[in-house]
Amino acid sequence: QQQVKQSPQSLIVQKGGISIINCAYENTAFDYFPWYQQFPGKGPALLIAIRPDVSEKKEGRFTISFNKSAKQFSLHIMDSQPGDSATYFCAASISGKLIFGQGTELSVKP
Amino acid sequence: DTGVSQDPRHKITKRGQNVTFRCDPISEHNRLYWYRQTLGQGPEFLTYFQNEAQLEKSRLLSDRFSAERPKGSFSTLEIQRTEQGDSAMYLCASSLAVTVWDTITYEQYFGPGTRLTVT
Repeated sequence: QQQVKQSPQSLIVQKGGISIINCAYENTAFDYFPWYQQFPGKGPALLIAIRPDVSEKKEGRFTISFNKSAKQFSLHIMDSQPGDSATYFCAASISGKLIFGQGTELSVKP
Repeated sequence: DTGVSQDPRHKITKRGQNVTFRCDPISEHNRLYWYRQTLGQGPEFLTYFQNEAQLEKSRLLSDRFSAERPKGSFSTLEIQRTEQGDSAMYLCASSLAVTVWDTITYEQYFGPGTRLTVT
């Protein structure tokens, strides 16, 4: 019940396209849902986050859509760029600690 | 920009040796977390501190692991009698409580990690 399931495992998108990564959870006690971007050899960097009382949050090219009843949330990257190529992790927070998904390796082709 | 820093960045050790890692959080952050990340996986929670108090430890944290945050500032993570299965990236994060309306959330910011290789 503590798991966060993330899909797809890998994603290839053309430059300018939309990248979509999905996550699902079971535990309704999760109270905060961040997304992190990680480049090889670096620590995860906080990208955008949402609380469960909000259905959508947009910051620049990044949007989180949140469906509380379905216990699912997703990250949309608009106008994807080669510099967005990285591994993306969704996470869910309970009592302040984060439970991470398995990650999605995104490759944006020029 | 003084983010979370970790030292060393890389550590190679032989099986059976003890190792210690250090994390310096963002200065005003009162919470500090340790995570472990193996190749191709997401980070896994190990433990966290609020100020100097260790509030939770994961079952992943065996008796060979110990963490301290003596003055509520930097933290150390020690692994005794290292095993090959301990090879991983050890990540530290810090956070400050952010209150929006009546909900408190903790935005966690990660350091660059310490890559441990046990031979």
